[in-house]
Amino acid sequence: AQSVTQPDIHITVSEGASLELRCNYSYGATPYLFWYVQSPGQGLQLLLKYFSGDTLVQGIKGFEAEFKRSQSSFNLRKPSVHWSDAAEYFCAALGDFGNEKLTFGTGTRLTIIP
Amino acid sequence: EPEVTQTPSHQVTQMGQEVILRCVPISNHLYFYWYRQILGQKVEFLVSFYNNEISEKSEIFDDQFSVERPDGSNFTLKIRSTKLEDSAMYFCASRTNRERNYGYTFGSGTRLTVV
Repeated sequence: AQSVTQPDIHITVSEGASLELRCNYSYGATPYLFWYVQSPGQGLQLLLKYFSGDTLVQGIKGFEAEFKRSQSSFNLRKPSVHWSDAAEYFCAALGDFGNEKLTFGTGTRLTIIP
Repeated sequence: EPEVTQTPSHQVTQMGQEVILRCVPISNHLYFYWYRQILGQKVEFLVSFYNNEISEKSEIFDDQFSVERPDGSNFTLKIRSTKLEDSAMYFCASRTNRERNYGYTFGSGTRLTVV
């Protein structure tokens, strides 16, 4: 079955430190991949997406993600986090054409400490 | 930047009552979706809607649920007889084109509490 896994439920990092959030997918073919961020009480905001081509994609707010086919991963990174990055982060995937369903991971809650 | 608007932001209802969650998708978008997120769990797909009909639905979307685009701008989710387990955040989403390089735009959600 198609699935998206985010192994880390909660991550705490210091402000200014680097960040990597993990995402693995299980699909028959390479899906389209997304990272969304959800601040408290807010909706889901798209950070970045991968469809094909360059495996390192740049997104908003200084985030980037790298697609690694060999590891079935699409990890999100940021070189230096800010207190405002504290939020819930969701990895999601869109499978075969004709399937309209985004499949989400369980999310990773990011806490920033001063 | 265009937004997907959802109302109300929070709704409390008694078990067994009908609720209608409202969404105004982005005006030139053609594909519409409802997702839900039970507290502490992942975001789950409920239904997709195109050309005034359901194009796909999940097993969650049973006979108690229905969707409608009554007037060309609103997109509603109705739950006929709410259950405690319907308590969740419900997200509406839309996109302009079936080409998957167009991302989904999500609304800020409606938190439904069934008591």
